[in-house]
Parts: sequence; structure tokens; C-alpha cells
Amino acid sequence: RKEVEQDPGPFNVPEGATVAFNCTYSNSASQSFFWYRQDCRKEPKLLMSVYSSGNEDGRFTAQLNRASQYISLLIRDSKLSDSATYLCVVNRGNQGGKLIFGQGTELSVKP
Amino acid sequence: DTAVSQTPKYLVTQMGNDKSIKCEQNLGHDTMYWYKQDSKKFLKIMFSYNNKELIINETVPNRFSPKSPDKAHLNLHINSLELGDSAVYFCASSQDQGVSEQFFGPGTRLTVL
Repeated sequence: RKEVEQDPGPFNVPEGATVAFNCTYSNSASQSFFWYRQDCRKEPKLLMSVYSSGNEDGRFTAQLNRASQYISLLIRDSKLSDSATYLCVVNRGNQGGKLIFGQGTELSVKP
Repeated sequence: DTAVSQTPKYLVTQMGNDKSIKCEQNLGHDTMYWYKQDSKKFLKIMFSYNNKELIINETVPNRFSPKSPDKAHLNLHINSLELGDSAVYFCASSQDQGVSEQFFGPGTRLTVL
């Protein structure tokens, strides 16, 4: 079993749709959590950090449930430019900054 | 201004050859990393250096040898290349080796024939 698991993709949604991605992690010692975005043939870029209290950045909302070891990302009012692969990422914090990546979920927003 | 840069962007070579990938960051960060993204798009850490000191050395073949001449540079040398080494190699850097954001370079797409 992989340490960080995500919904299998791809998600194909129309513009304006709301889409939710889920992720679970197995190591309870994990300390920080992120969503990264990776466009086709590009490098991953930080989309947002995820906090237990939940956090929102415009159309994006991230949630963390430490008890269930579950992370989510909600995208409202999807835009064509949201098409990308979304990577759930965990940092154990005590291993030199080592990031553990999920396999990614591909999102395709159609007109 | 490019924050994390890598050269070359593409590398096509024959099995058995030795090749190097270079990485430079101009962010003033202390920590740098090498990640490998395989054909299934799975990203996995290989090495990290903090201020020129090796911190993370994942289970990779010893044909892979990182070298950090200073904290702004982290190079990756690969000996005796194999077909399975074909992947995209990403360099990244962060302010420190804790939980700070990591910034990735554009990647080097290595194809071994």
C-alpha cells in the first residue's frame, strides 16, 4: 500500500462544475500537508498548504482530518485553466524535508 | 529570473553511458533535492542536501551520485545508464529542511536507448 493514496483519475468535468479530490495517508507521524498542481510536462507547483482548521484560497478549499488521516481539495466553479494533475503531498517533518507524493489525480475541464 | 534551473532539459543517450544533470537555485535556500518521476507519473525523492551536506539518501542504485559544490548547486551524475533510468528528474529547493515550501526546477527528461 502506498503511503499517500489519491482518487484514481481522470476527472472530466464541464466548466463551472464543482469537483472534489480525496487523499489518505498512512503515516500518523506526518506533520504537514499540501496540494501541488502539475501541468502536462511541467514541474509541480504548490497550490496550497492544508491545515486542520481548513483553508480557502479563492475557488479552492482544502481540508485535513488528522483523526481519519484524510485530506481533501474542493474546486468550485471550475475553469478550463484548472485542467492539470493535482498531487496530494505529505511531509513527515522529521526527515529532512522529504515530501511523499500521491500518484496524482488528473482533472480535465471541458467547455 | 529563473528560481530553480536545470540543464539539460532533454537528454537522450545510449545504455551504458555516463551523464550528469546540473541544478542551480538563486533563491538563497539552504536545502536542495533530487526527485524522479517515472512513466506512471509517480514522483519520488532520491536525495537531499542541506548546506552542502547529504541529508536524505533514498534507496537508489549507487550508480547515482549527487554532488553539491555549494548550497546553490546540486548536480546528479549517473553511471552506466540503464533503460529503467528513463524518467523526468526534478531538482527542488526549500528554505530549510523542515516543512517549508519546495520550489521545483523545470525537469530534465532523460531517455535511455
